[in-house]
Amino acid sequence: GAVVSQHPSWVICKSGTSVKIECRSLDFQATTMFWYRQFPKQSLMLMATSNEGSKATYEQGVEKDKFLINHASLTLSTLTVTSAHPEDSSFYICSASANYGYTFGSGTRLTVV
Amino acid sequence: TQLLEQSPQFLSIQEGENLTVYCNSSSVFSSLQWYRQEPGEGPVLLVTVVTGGEVKKLKRLTFQFGDARKDSSLHITAAQPGDTGLYLCAGARGSGANNLFFGTGTRLTVIP
Repeated sequence: GAVVSQHPSWVICKSGTSVKIECRSLDFQATTMFWYRQFPKQSLMLMATSNEGSKATYEQGVEKDKFLINHASLTLSTLTVTSAHPEDSSFYICSASANYGYTFGSGTRLTVV
Repeated sequence: TQLLEQSPQFLSIQEGENLTVYCNSSSVFSSLQWYRQEPGEGPVLLVTVVTGGEVKKLKRLTFQFGDARKDSSLHITAAQPGDTGLYLCAGARGSGANNLFFGTGTRLTVIP
């Protein structure tokens, strides 16, 4: 089946630094990937749609200059949280569309101290 | 605006009991999916329902899509501790996951 690998699974960074999260489709090509954010005990909220070879589409209220998305190949999308602050601490999840639905990565727990 | 409301939000039951989780909306969806998510992991797809009135069974899990394609339910028979997790419904209003809207979630705990 379709597998999406997300790395790292957790990261702790200092306030003001940047963090990059990778999302890879391992056994299929994904022209489109999606980035979600999930706060504790809450559901997933779509942040942006990542399109291979073009600019990402951001949902309303998501700062594109803060959450940089790059989708340079058909198997890799990256999300960079720039100048991270404690309020950016959250669980970030990527997904990609496969033949039978959407496959999700295992998530990245970001803690900004 | 939250398009999909799930109820109950939290549910704690004894092993062997039955339960039903509801996913309701005022919007029509072309399809609806159910996911289960465990702490620290991404959601895992359980089922996709497409046709209004459709019923799908997956072992002890029964999924139903409302006739008007606005709501869905998940029924678990004889719950087991392994069923513990966050259950999420997600409705699609077209192609592409930018049109995939997640429900508010139901956190299920099955006590041995």
